[in-house]
Amino acid sequence: SAVISQKPSRDICQRGTSLTIQCQVDSQVTMMFWYRQQPGQSLTLIATANQGSEATYESGFVIDKFPISRPNLTFSTLTVSNMSPEDSSIYLCSVSGTSGGEVVEQYFGPGTRLTVT
Amino acid sequence: AQSVTQPDIHITVSEGASLELRCNYSYGATPYLFWYVQSPGQGLQLLLKYFSGDTLVQGIKGFEAEFKRSQSSFNLRKPSVHWSDAAEYFCAVGGSNSGYALNFGKGTSLLVTP
Repeated sequence: SAVISQKPSRDICQRGTSLTIQCQVDSQVTMMFWYRQQPGQSLTLIATANQGSEATYESGFVIDKFPISRPNLTFSTLTVSNMSPEDSSIYLCSVSGTSGGEVVEQYFGPGTRLTVT
Repeated sequence: AQSVTQPDIHITVSEGASLELRCNYSYGATPYLFWYVQSPGQGLQLLLKYFSGDTLVQGIKGFEAEFKRSQSSFNLRKPSVHWSDAAEYFCAVGGSNSGYALNFGKGTSLLVTP
């Protein structure tokens, strides 16, 4: 299993500013994922972050708005840039757990609840 | 393209009654299927998952789900609902085609009445 922690757990930010969210995993993982959950909505994949390569962004998400770092196999950051109230969401980090090369689990962090005023 | 449809946005059941939440998926390869539950203000909790093997999957809290490839469905069931089951339920699909990232349905909100 993998235990994921995120910092901060919540924040209230002013529009136009940026916030960097940290995701720490207690084991080495190849793939990490960032999701967004807007109020009352489901989860939407923002990007996939593999160590040693550029993050792959889903349609509707761009690197200038959501830059991602993946410096090693246990850590990643997601920055929400030039925030607006529409960015108010829960941001979740996720990893795939593997056994014998097969994916056997998906683990989610507790989320970062962001409010933009 | 992969997608998940949860046809029911809201469902209301009486405590003690049986429950079935519907989930239909579209996926170009063998899917990995999940059901998650989220209580208000809480994080995601995995109820159960299907990767391969027995198509009837048992999960936590007395939930089960059945994978039906011919119907592209993965419906969640519980024989007797408890008031504490009131929450938002998400079905999700993933697999090697998507790099194991998950595509979530829009969710079904469950209300349990006395």
